[in-house]
Amino acid sequence: DAGITQSPRHKVTETGTPVTLRCHQTENHRYMYWYRQDPGHGLRLIHYSYGVKDTDKGEVSDGYSVSRSKTEDFLLTLESATSSQTSVYFCAIRSGTSGSWETQYFGPGTRLLVL
Amino acid sequence: SQQGEEDPQALSIQEGENATMNCSYKTSINNLQWYRQNSGRGLVHLILIRSNEREKHSGRLRVTLDTSKKSSSLLITASRAADTASYFCATAHSGNTPLVFGKGTRLSVIA
Repeated sequence: DAGITQSPRHKVTETGTPVTLRCHQTENHRYMYWYRQDPGHGLRLIHYSYGVKDTDKGEVSDGYSVSRSKTEDFLLTLESATSSQTSVYFCAIRSGTSGSWETQYFGPGTRLLVL
Repeated sequence: SQQGEEDPQALSIQEGENATMNCSYKTSINNLQWYRQNSGRGLVHLILIRSNEREKHSGRLRVTLDTSKKSSSLLITASRAADTASYFCATAHSGNTPLVFGKGTRLSVIA
């Protein structure tokens, strides 16, 4: 699992509330990613980070923000949760050096239900 | 939008048979990767094939890549019930761009 943990693992929240999901890694990888997985859509990239304080948007970034103040932590915030953000959220890290892909390791996922 | 598209969406076979899944993509790639996901779990990396490679093997897995057709196939030989999972292809346009995943193929191996 490449030392990736996600917290919380399950969360139920109400529409309009802010929610923060945390991804923590123990192996000092530069690249970190947040995906959401929904039936019929597969995995879609929300945001990613290529270093401390360096982040970029993915395919479905609207309504989400991220922060990375330390190498080991990558936070995903739903600024004002909506029912359409009910999903399973996966964090991932990438091994390999810059410019050379090796593999991607995924965390166990966070199941989020927005009522 | 998703780059890769797996075919078929679902596949059901008997234990011992071979399973073949296909992936088509739209733009040039640096590499293509296959991942497996067991129900309720995160994705697990299976194999990576670079754009200058045509075939790779890993145990019972064989992956081919045809860049002229923008397609790849994953073959699982002598399948087992434990191979039941969803399988995803993912592509990277360059060495620094994120992976883009397809929607996956659900494989059921019946004992």
